[in-house]
Amino acid sequence: QVQLQQSGPGLVKPSQILSLTCVIFGDSVSSNNAAWNWIRQSPSRGLEWLGRTYYRSKWYNDYAISVKSRININPDTSKNQFSLQLNSVTPEDTAVYFCVRDLGGSFDYWGQGTLVTVSS
Amino acid sequence: DIQMTQSPSTLSASVGDRVTITCRASQSISRWLAWYQQKPGKAPKLLIYKASTLESGVPSRFSGSGSGTEFTLTISSLQPDDFATYYCQQYDSFPWTFGQGTKVEIK
Repeated sequence: QVQLQQSGPGLVKPSQILSLTCVIFGDSVSSNNAAWNWIRQSPSRGLEWLGRTYYRSKWYNDYAISVKSRININPDTSKNQFSLQLNSVTPEDTAVYFCVRDLGGSFDYWGQGTLVTVSS
Repeated sequence: DIQMTQSPSTLSASVGDRVTITCRASQSISRWLAWYQQKPGKAPKLLIYKASTLESGVPSRFSGSGSGTEFTLTISSLQPDDFATYYCQQYDSFPWTFGQGTKVEIK
């Protein structure tokens, strides 16, 4: 059974960096079948896919154009986890953030969600 | 981006009712569509992928159909546990996008 456990601060100041980590249990961040995603949800934007990292003989990333200039998703094989870094945040980045596994585009395992508020 | 439009936005139904939710894509996505159920304060749960394949452990009263631009999620006999919000999601092309949701309420 796969479990994803998220951690990170719930409050970030405007213009600062939002950082979240997702630890994987029951699978490997280096899996040749899975990809590891970040998705956020807010009342104004609904469910929004942000990006993913995955390993297929080498590491790849895909990012949503809406955040591509500000986002990094990185694997950490030593801790079997992956992280989200979103730079230069504004109040519009306030949302519940989820780490999620996909096995070909549909999202089968989700983290518990982290509410991140961007406010001074 | 591919726009996903669900209808209705809200649906009032009774236990035992047959319920159908529609999802339309702004361009063809073949059968690269998933359906999720979300309850308040929880992460979405995968119900169906590839338009009609039931995820393991999901009750058989849930079914999906469609291809191209029009898809449906059907609950054959609504149960108390099914009152929730349902989302469709396309994974034909990046960025993967979701519908705005359909809330199924108790009538």
